Amino acid sequence: QLQLQESGPGLVKPSETLSLTCTVSGGSITSSTYFWGWVRQPPGKGLDWLATIYYSGDTYYSPSLRSRVTMSVDTSKSQFSLRLSSVTAADTAVYYCARLDGSDHMFDYWGQGTLVTVSS
Amino acid sequence: NFMLTQPHSVSESPGKTVTLSCTRSSGSIASSYVQWYQQRPGCAPTTVIYEDSQRPSGVPDRFSGSIDSSSNSAFLTISGLKTEDEADYYCQSYDSSNPVVFGGGTKLTVL
Repeated sequence: QLQLQESGPGLVKPSETLSLTCTVSGGSITSSTYFWGWVRQPPGKGLDWLATIYYSGDTYYSPSLRSRVTMSVDTSKSQFSLRLSSVTAADTAVYYCARLDGSDHMFDYWGQGTLVTVSS
Repeated sequence: NFMLTQPHSVSESPGKTVTLSCTRSSGSIASSYVQWYQQRPGCAPTTVIYEDSQRPSGVPDRFSGSIDSSSNSAFLTISGLKTEDEADYYCQSYDSSNPVVFGGGTKLTVL
């Protein structure tokens, strides 16, 4: 069974960079069918797609965050990562990593999510 | 860019049928698959409908999905409502410029 696990600091200071890693187990991160992505959810609000990456390194970013977000992948460690720069309190959210099926753009596996709070 | 608009909240009684809507602002609803996710408090979303109308294994057949080109909308219908169906429901689709677009979500209350 595929599993995804987010890791990273739970508290980030304003203006700093948020960094999260997702570790994939129980399946291959280099499968040609799938992409890997990040979705966040501010407290009490809806789902917000941030970015998606293919194992080759091709990336796709949300237009609203493109200037601040970077994704990368490390296939040797079965991990992919998110960096979000110049964070503010508005970036406080539960951050989920997830697998995206490339054939129908469905997120079929999700991590449990990790709460990141932006505060001084 | 297009948007997916969902009603903020819907309420219905146990045993009844409810239909949640998801309206695409531009471009045809039929041009890209629509997915529906259920999210209970404190949990990650799970798929209840994919590719407009397909149910993942384990999802009861009380859940069904459809699209309507005349209203440019997708619909999630839940019949025989149970209290356990109370959750937030999100639609999601995409286009060539945007790999993922989520609707704002509908809070379903079963009372």
